[in-house]
Amino acid sequence: DGGITQSPKYLFRKEGQNVTLSCEQNLNHDAMYWYRQDPGQGLRLIYYSQIVNDFQKGDIAEGYSVSREKKESFPLTVTSAQKNPTAFYLCASSIGGEVYGYTFGSGTRLTVV
Amino acid sequence: RKEVEQDPGPFNVPEGATVAFNCTYSNSASQSFFWYRQDCRKEPKLLMSVYSSGNEDGRFTAQLNRASQYISLLIRDSKLSDSATYLCVVNMNYGGSQGNLIFGKGTKLSVKP
Repeated sequence: DGGITQSPKYLFRKEGQNVTLSCEQNLNHDAMYWYRQDPGQGLRLIYYSQIVNDFQKGDIAEGYSVSREKKESFPLTVTSAQKNPTAFYLCASSIGGEVYGYTFGSGTRLTVV
Repeated sequence: RKEVEQDPGPFNVPEGATVAFNCTYSNSASQSFFWYRQDCRKEPKLLMSVYSSGNEDGRFTAQLNRASQYISLLIRDSKLSDSATYLCVVNMNYGGSQGNLIFGKGTKLSVKP
């Protein structure tokens, strides 16, 4: 079955560490996105990529980095510069353009300990 | 004015009730509209797209009013399984370029026996 896979499901990070969240899709979608969701809050866009080897900052990119070396993969690194990283991270993909909506992965719940 | 606004609820309704959610959006140039459903601690899932002429999918009816810039979702004959948070989603299309989808914070629905 085609879909979008995020791993790990739960992640614990110590203060000062960088961590990388994985996002892989086999939907042959061109566009991929990373969102952050805090309790009781809406989704906020971190980074997005419309095509391989290209990506743009979203509304809250500070403290995060991404790469898009393959169409299928869009990993997100949460760096130590991100002051409040505890959140639910959602990766999404779309066929391109916003006409069809986004398909989401099941998310990674990151907790700083 | 916020880009996408929804009443956060919660809406507490008995099984079998009809319930309606509204959502307003700020960008008159927006072209794509969706309702997503998000269960607790899960990823958002596309419920339905919203078309200019209005559309229906079983017990769910979506309407778009471009003049007033609002979208509605009507759920008839509510089921316990309809309990979730419903997200209003709009693309922000500025200057002819395709914008990303903007997610409202969601309206929480709780259907009681």
